[in-house]
Amino acid sequence: DVKVTQSSRYLVKRTGEKVFLECVQDMDHENMFWYRQDPGLGLRLIYFSYDVKMKEKGDIPEGYSVSREKKERFSLILESASTNQTSMYLCASSIKIVLYSPLHFGNGTRLTVT
Amino acid sequence: DAKTTQPPSMDCAEGRAANLPCNHSTISGNEYVYWYRQIHSQGPQYIIHGLKNNETNEMASLIITEDRKSSTLILPHATLRDTAVYYCIVSRGGNQFYFGTGTSLTVIP
Repeated sequence: DVKVTQSSRYLVKRTGEKVFLECVQDMDHENMFWYRQDPGLGLRLIYFSYDVKMKEKGDIPEGYSVSREKKERFSLILESASTNQTSMYLCASSIKIVLYSPLHFGNGTRLTVT
Repeated sequence: DAKTTQPPSMDCAEGRAANLPCNHSTISGNEYVYWYRQIHSQGPQYIIHGLKNNETNEMASLIITEDRKSSTLILPHATLRDTAVYYCIVSRGGNQFYFGTGTSLTVIP
């Protein structure tokens, strides 16, 4: 089974802090994604990556950046955390060479910014 | 933009089949139908996907109508652990997954 691991389940940070959310997958997937989930808004795509050192903006990239230095690891960075970034953050991965490959998700990091 | 319509909530008796409907009348020829579920405080779990033929795996069956404008996810013998929010998504894969608000399924003892 695919395992996508997010380093923290719960995180509390202060406004203005730089925040790193880490995600690791163990199935050699090329594609990795970061979503946030908010009540009534569903999941929204922040950034994604199809390969090492590659990144693409999703639907809501403002206030975020990402890093993909190794194939198995995809980091989401909040440069200066704000209260409107309080949310559930979900990492996912999928296989690039298999068309229509489904996403496999981690269990999420619930971030609170105070 | 979510391109599917699902009922907001459903109940099912434990041990009975749960049939979750989804309308996707604007689906295009190169889009698959995917189903995920999300148990409270966990990430979405992939269940099944299909193009036009019915599909079955160890978790569920997916029935897609011939015109592909709607589908039904069937959990053959619902248990309490199947209580979750179920998402129906149409997608070409890659970054094209749009999760709406899904159907909240409650399995009743």
